Amino acid sequence: GAVVSQHPSWVICKSGTSVKIECRSLDFQATTMFWYRQFPKQSLMLMATSNEGSKATYEQGVEKDKFLINHASLTLSTLTVTSAHPEDSSFYICSARAMLRDGLTKNIQYFGAGTRLSVL
Amino acid sequence: DAKTTQPTSMDCAEGRAANLPCNHSTISGNEYVYWYRQIHSQGPQYIIHGLKNNETNEMASLIITEDRKSSTLILPHATLRDTAVYYCIVRATFNAGGTSYGKLTFGQGTILTVHP
Repeated sequence: GAVVSQHPSWVICKSGTSVKIECRSLDFQATTMFWYRQFPKQSLMLMATSNEGSKATYEQGVEKDKFLINHASLTLSTLTVTSAHPEDSSFYICSARAMLRDGLTKNIQYFGAGTRLSVL
Repeated sequence: DAKTTQPTSMDCAEGRAANLPCNHSTISGNEYVYWYRQIHSQGPQYIIHGLKNNETNEMASLIITEDRKSSTLILPHATLRDTAVYYCIVRATFNAGGTSYGKLTFGQGTILTVHP
């Protein structure tokens, strides 16, 4: 299957600082990437959808000025958590959509390994 | 996207088949059924997906009922490493000017525990 690389896998930062998380599709081009957040013992929650070269679409309740998403190329999307606070501590997971060769009507999302953010 | 219902948890003996059910009674004609799993502290892993025909790959088989209101994921020979949360998701996938739409919305899934 397609590989999505996410970096860093783990980060600790002080309250008030910004943290950037990178998501790369290694062996395919991804016109669409997704960012999810997962709190302990909960399911994944979609934060935003980003399309290459355009502004991200944020889910209801997600602050776009706090979670900055950039999708400047077909293989790279970044999520920056600005002025992080302890309540932003979570498991952040990116996903990239790959199209199958047998037609545009089928597509699969592949996920990165996730980034565990701890804000002190 | 249609909502799915899965049992909260299931057990399976190692080496036996694990059959994970999913109910999606409100599924519409253009919605696919996707299965993912998440092993603790990792990102979700794609398993399989289908529209109306049964599907099989190297990981699992997907059986979709004729009315498409439910499906079953089958892991033919479960191992301890198959212990994970399994998510059944239905998603619309369609073309609009050459672009496919639809996003994955995760529910609570089924916690599958494979024991020796």
